[in-house]
Amino acid sequence: TQLLEQSPQFLSIQEGENLTVYCNSSSVFSSLQWYRQEPGEGPVLLVTVVTGGEVKKLKRLTFQFGDARKDSSLHITAAQPGDTGLYLCAGQNTGNQFYFGTGTSLTVIP
Amino acid sequence: KAGVTQTPRYLIKTRGQQVTLSCSPISGHRSVSWYQQTPGQGLQFLFEYFSETQRNKGNFPGRFSGRQFSNSRSEMNVSTLELGDSALYLCASSFYPSAGVEKLFFGSGTQLSVL
Repeated sequence: TQLLEQSPQFLSIQEGENLTVYCNSSSVFSSLQWYRQEPGEGPVLLVTVVTGGEVKKLKRLTFQFGDARKDSSLHITAAQPGDTGLYLCAGQNTGNQFYFGTGTSLTVIP
Repeated sequence: KAGVTQTPRYLIKTRGQQVTLSCSPISGHRSVSWYQQTPGQGLQFLFEYFSETQRNKGNFPGRFSGRQFSNSRSEMNVSTLELGDSALYLCASSFYPSAGVEKLFFGSGTQLSVL
């Protein structure tokens, strides 16, 4: 089983603050994706990172793939209430199977 | 382009019954995968179908089964329901094989409650 552990599990911050969510595994993945899920809905893909050390920016969100392709981080700058949701990382192995992280529930308080 | 459609949205069953959930993928997507989501276990992979064939399977008992039809629509079935089967069941479709990295598009899920 290829486990992906996310930290922190829960995060409650004030609007305007910065935060970082971590996704760690002992396994190597061919790619890693981040999803955001809102209550009552399915996860929505935010970004895919493929190359070790890769950094991608999506407006106020910055995603990084570890050099060894075993871990990733998501950094949000100046968080807004609209960022509230469950953030999930997902690693895809060479067998094209996805393994999802344990999730980070983010609440941004106005 | 219509998204992934899952029916029904909510379902209440009692222990011992069986249930069938349906998933219609995005038009042109040939791969459909199913996931179980619970607060304690997170998102867990059930199985994946491509061109009517099961391509991957997760670590779930044989009570969980699925199939895919020629139009790529998929169904999953759970027999002899247990209380622990209460969960949000998510279906995801993808355009496989793709030129790049496979991307999953999820439906809104079916919330199953077993009483």
